[in-house]
Amino acid sequence: DQQVKQNSPSLSVQEGRISILNCDYTNSMFDYFLWYKKYPAEGPTFLISISSIKDKNEDGRFTVFLNKSAKHLSLHIVPSQPGDSAVYFCAASGTGGFKTIFGAGTRLFVKA
Amino acid sequence: SQTIHQWPATLVQPVGSPLSLECTVEGTSNPNLYWYRQAAGRGLQLLFYSIGIGQISSEVPQNLSASRPQDRQFILSSKKLLLSDSGFYLCAWSPTVERNTEAFFGQGTRLTVV
Repeated sequence: DQQVKQNSPSLSVQEGRISILNCDYTNSMFDYFLWYKKYPAEGPTFLISISSIKDKNEDGRFTVFLNKSAKHLSLHIVPSQPGDSAVYFCAASGTGGFKTIFGAGTRLFVKA
Repeated sequence: SQTIHQWPATLVQPVGSPLSLECTVEGTSNPNLYWYRQAAGRGLQLLFYSIGIGQISSEVPQNLSASRPQDRQFILSSKKLLLSDSGFYLCAWSPTVERNTEAFFGQGTRLTVV
């Protein structure tokens, strides 16, 4: 049972435009959500997170939106840059946060 | 600053052979430690996590085991590898179990079982 779902395996965006990566979750006990970025043959690196008490968190070009009623979150990257091309993983955890469940990932291609 | 080391980076092993992947964390104490696997075209699957020495929780039944002989050392093992054990294995740590926080990953080990 996939508790965290990223239904788009890939996304292609033109440089300078907005990239929107989506994520859905099923477990209502999740209260902390994260996005990680991963390059080939490397470990994921943390990008941005959001607590369930918020509906938006912004860090530079990256903004994460959380819609608890829809159990949906999204990552917006604007403007997109070629260096943003990577696989993006959505992740979620419950109270305590020591067990994090990851989605399947979305591969983002930013074309110059 | 904290660093995580994972080795080897790549490994090719025959079916039926044993496995030992090692992970160590520096610059912190009593970290939470994790082993994840990324199979081809799939997300990161949590295999094991540990909140202290000798404390291992297994998330999925499988051909693998984990041990934590020291506070900052986490080992992934198998007595006999299967073809289905191939994948990209990632060790990670997080600062505490008390609050939500991000995990920090090692560089990963690409395991190919032939």
